[in-house]
Amino acid sequence: AQTVTQSQPEMSVQEAETVTLSCTYDTSESDYYLFWYKQPPSRQMILVIRQEAYKQQNATENRFSVNFQKAAKSFSLKISDSQLGDAAMYFCAYPLYRAGNEKLTFGTGTRLTIIP
Amino acid sequence: EPEVTQTPSHQVTQMGQEVILRCVPISNHLYFYWYRQILGQKVEFLVSFYNNEISEKSEIFDDQFSVERPDGSNFTLKIRSTKLEDSAMYFCASSEGSGGPYEQYFGPGTRLTVT
Repeated sequence: AQTVTQSQPEMSVQEAETVTLSCTYDTSESDYYLFWYKQPPSRQMILVIRQEAYKQQNATENRFSVNFQKAAKSFSLKISDSQLGDAAMYFCAYPLYRAGNEKLTFGTGTRLTIIP
Repeated sequence: EPEVTQTPSHQVTQMGQEVILRCVPISNHLYFYWYRQILGQKVEFLVSFYNNEISEKSEIFDDQFSVERPDGSNFTLKIRSTKLEDSAMYFCASSEGSGGPYEQYFGPGTRLTVT
């Protein structure tokens, strides 16, 4: 069964600094996607970044980038130049596809605090 | 930008009562989902819905749960006889398609408290 583990329940970072959130997963699939979702306080979850497993290059979206290590089944999120608006819960997620249907398996989340 | 909306934001109910949680997915989306998050635990998949029928459901989604798309815009989750352990945040999501390129868009959630 697919599992997703986030070992850091809370992280904090000084504004403008860089922070890395960790995620490991387990799967027997060879081709898959991985996602990072952000959930600001009292707001909906939004997709921050996605990685396709067959792509060697790490995904980047502006200040957000991932370090994807397929062999190690590791998928960390790096946030550069942290801003106050980055404060949120961050969830790592693995989508499982079966018969055209998709369901997301989430980690337990990391609460990120930005220190002004 | 289109958003998934959910009502109510907070629902308090007594054990044994029926509750209906409502969601309005993004209008051109075809796939609909419910997830839940018990306080302090991970977000868990409950059910997916496509073409007016359930595509997949988790072991959590027992006979007490049902979903419906009654009018082409709303997507509802009904819990027939609530239990204390049903207390959780319930998230609705929708997507245009199924597969990696397609993103699931989430609503803000409904906090269900069963007393």
